[in-house]
Amino acid sequence: GNSVTQMEGPVTLSEEAFLTINCTYTATGYPSLFWYVQYPGEGLQLLLKATKADDKGSNKGFEATYRKETTSFHLEKGSVQVSDSAVYFCALSPNTGGFKTIFGAGTRLFVKA
Amino acid sequence: DAGVTQSPTHLIKTRGQQVTLRCSPKSGHDTVSWYQQALGQGPQFIFQYYEEEERQRGNFPDRFSGHQFPNYSSELNVNALLLGDSALYLCASSLISGATDTQYFGPGTRLTVL
Repeated sequence: GNSVTQMEGPVTLSEEAFLTINCTYTATGYPSLFWYVQYPGEGLQLLLKATKADDKGSNKGFEATYRKETTSFHLEKGSVQVSDSAVYFCALSPNTGGFKTIFGAGTRLFVKA
Repeated sequence: DAGVTQSPTHLIKTRGQQVTLRCSPKSGHDTVSWYQQALGQGPQFIFQYYEEEERQRGNFPDRFSGHQFPNYSSELNVNALLLGDSALYLCASSLISGATDTQYFGPGTRLTVL
């Protein structure tokens, strides 16, 4: 079946530190991969996506590369800010004609000033 | 461009009651999916509606039902509420003919069952 596994949190970093949140997936075929962000008390916002192998999604300084050989989609940012504190969800959609998105458990990020 | 909207924002019910949550999709979208997000967990897929019919369903009991209207808006109904139904309910919209399965989420309705 399809599943997503992401690193457990919380992750605590100082401002301007480098961020990596690991994500691996299991899927048949060629899923689309996503990172969503959830700020306290809010719904999910699409952060970035990649739809095929070796694609790099990027947005707001965050980036992730679709690695089919390692079934990974790790999220990175070179210099985090306090405002990046949130919960980050890795997700996949099977691209089989439906829109059932499968989420990881989420990784909480705290950034200290 | 209006995004996905949901109402109400918060709701408090007691065990055994019934609840209806509402969702309006992003302009131009025709497919609505509902997710349940328990505290500290990732969203879990409940079901999806397209052309006013339920197209896919996750592992949720029949107490969870829905409806889609001709204007693509949708309702989620939960009967015989249990304490474990307390969660953030998220609505997501998409376009069935889109090139990829990208969904856009609303802010959610937080349901508390006492």
